[in-house]
Amino acid sequence: DVKVTQSSRYLVKRTGEKVFLECVQDMDHENMFWYRQDPGLGLRLIYFSYDVKMKEKGDIPEGYSVSREKKERFSLILESASTNQTSMYLCASSAIGQEAFFGQGTRLTVV
Amino acid sequence: AQRVTQPEKLLSVFKGAPVELKCNYSYSGSPELFWYVQYSRQRLQLLLRHISRESIKGFTADLNKGETSFHLKKPFAQEEDSAMYYCALSNSGTYKYIFGTGTRLKVLA
Repeated sequence: DVKVTQSSRYLVKRTGEKVFLECVQDMDHENMFWYRQDPGLGLRLIYFSYDVKMKEKGDIPEGYSVSREKKERFSLILESASTNQTSMYLCASSAIGQEAFFGQGTRLTVV
Repeated sequence: AQRVTQPEKLLSVFKGAPVELKCNYSYSGSPELFWYVQYSRQRLQLLLRHISRESIKGFTADLNKGETSFHLKKPFAQEEDSAMYYCALSNSGTYKYIFGTGTRLKVLA
């Protein structure tokens, strides 16, 4: 059974904190993605990575950075958390042009 | 630019009625189109993709390149079809995976 695992289901952080969201996949996929999911806005792509140490900005990269030091792990970093980053964050992985597999999501609340 | 448009945020139908969830896309190349579904309290999962031309849980979707559409259809809705549905586009050249804003389907008894 394929697996994409996000390190936390729920997180509560304070404004200004540096926040790390971790994602691990066990399918040897080249591509990994971070999205945020908000009601009425769907899934918006924050960053994606197509190889180790390779990344590209998605549609809403401001306030976020990413790290991919190993093929199986893709981290999303909120440099200085703000209340407008309160959201559900979804990680996904895929082989090139193939089905994407999703993690269970991390609901982040910034207070 | 790649874009996926789902014009309906909410679609309510009665059990046994036909369902059509609309999806339009913009992309200059040859995209891969997908439908994903998210049931309550479950993770997002693939429903079907255009290249496989399968029918999954009674749903079908036809890629219409002339109209740049990939509408999802089911002839007779069931209550268990109630979920959030997302249309998505991918392309091997760009690696990006773009989703629409989603349509919530409610099937009423």
